[in-house]
Amino acid sequence: GDSVTQMEGPVTLSEEAFLTINCTYTATGYPSLFWYVQYPGEGLQLLLKATKADDKGSNKGFEATYRKETTSFHLEKGSVQVSDSAVYFCALRGNNDMRFGAGTRLTVKP
Amino acid sequence: EAGVAQSPRYKIIEKRQSVAFWCNPISGHATLYWYQQILGQGPKLLIQFQNNGVVDDSQLPKDRFSAERLKGVDSTLKIQPAKLEDSAVYLCATKQSGGLINEQFFGPGTRLTVL
Repeated sequence: GDSVTQMEGPVTLSEEAFLTINCTYTATGYPSLFWYVQYPGEGLQLLLKATKADDKGSNKGFEATYRKETTSFHLEKGSVQVSDSAVYFCALRGNNDMRFGAGTRLTVKP
Repeated sequence: EAGVAQSPRYKIIEKRQSVAFWCNPISGHATLYWYQQILGQGPKLLIQFQNNGVVDDSQLPKDRFSAERLKGVDSTLKIQPAKLEDSAVYLCATKQSGGLINEQFFGPGTRLTVL
């Protein structure tokens, strides 16, 4: 069945460092891909999405490009802030339901 | 716009006891999901409702879990009896009907600890 594999954490970076969180997927057909973020004590929030190959999702300085050839949707940010500290989930939606990765905890230190 | 509301936020029970969680969706959202998020894992879908009908409950452990959405608005998820491995955060998410990529909005979750 459909599945998502993302980079294990935790990831600890200094403020203004470059961030990459890897995500690869397995799916039949052409899924939509998502990144969700979960701040401490809050529910998941949609960060960005892409619905077809070569689409780039972007929001709040984060970007991810839907790469069909490598079945990947890596999350990147050029300069992280302390406020970006959270757990990030890669997810896909195939024919119906959502499948989530295990999450990557990011801690950004000042 | 008010978000998805869930209660309680935290619950501690002993194994073999019963527990119920409540979800109030965003107004007008016809689709409602319950997810189980075990510590260190991503959310796993338990059940999906479209209005008051069940769309998918294939991953719901029906011997102990039940859910309902009688009037197509609020929903409750019940566990009876609870086991230690049910300790998790239970997330409710809702979205508008129509379109394959409408965003799901998540509630803050209920953290269940089974002792």
